[in-house]
Amino acid sequence: GQNIDQPTEMTATEGAIVQINCTYQTSGFNGLFWYQQHAGEAPTFLSYNVLDGLEEKGRFSSFLSRSKGYSYLLLKELQMKDSASYLCAVRDDPYGGATNKLIFGTGTLLAVQP
Amino acid sequence: DTGVSQNPRHKITKRGQNVTFRCDPISEHNRLYWYRQTLGQGPEFLTYFQNEAQLEKSRLLSDRFSAERPKGSFSTLEIQRTEQGDSAMYLCASSALGAEQYFGPGTRLTVT
Repeated sequence: GQNIDQPTEMTATEGAIVQINCTYQTSGFNGLFWYQQHAGEAPTFLSYNVLDGLEEKGRFSSFLSRSKGYSYLLLKELQMKDSASYLCAVRDDPYGGATNKLIFGTGTLLAVQP
Repeated sequence: DTGVSQNPRHKITKRGQNVTFRCDPISEHNRLYWYRQTLGQGPEFLTYFQNEAQLEKSRLLSDRFSAERPKGSFSTLEIQRTEQGDSAMYLCASSALGAEQYFGPGTRLTVT
């Protein structure tokens, strides 16, 4: 089956660091993506991991462990505008290239407080 | 602005009516996807095109749903005989080979 788990809600303080975890079990794996989605808007791409390790991009970093089926998104120096839903998605590719669909988790709603 | 556009942005229709949505992907992207998202959930995959070929369709998609991408550029998603359960945000995304997907602003459908 396909299962992607992430916490439903998190709260953090402006200027702090927050880590959003994601665990997955999918029939295939060809990369893990993190998207940010503000209320009423489309998801916007944040990061992509296909190999184990940490990818850093400014205030955002994402980590992947394929053996553990685990990823996290790290947000540093939090700003009020970071209040949004953060979606973890796995590119499911069980047939080795036949599909590129993303399987999404339900999203983690992050509230940044002053 | 990701470059993917969708029309209309909002659609209110009565149950039983047919609706059609349009998606214009980023011009150099040959891959196009349709997703559906309801409140509090992540996007759910509906269908996928590579150029004009529809390569995958979700088993969750009933026969009332059909999608086309006739010339490998824009795509349309039609829902026939709409039901209240079809109310959702319909998202289109496009990508280049092996790259991340870029989403359009979505079409919010309300079936009354």
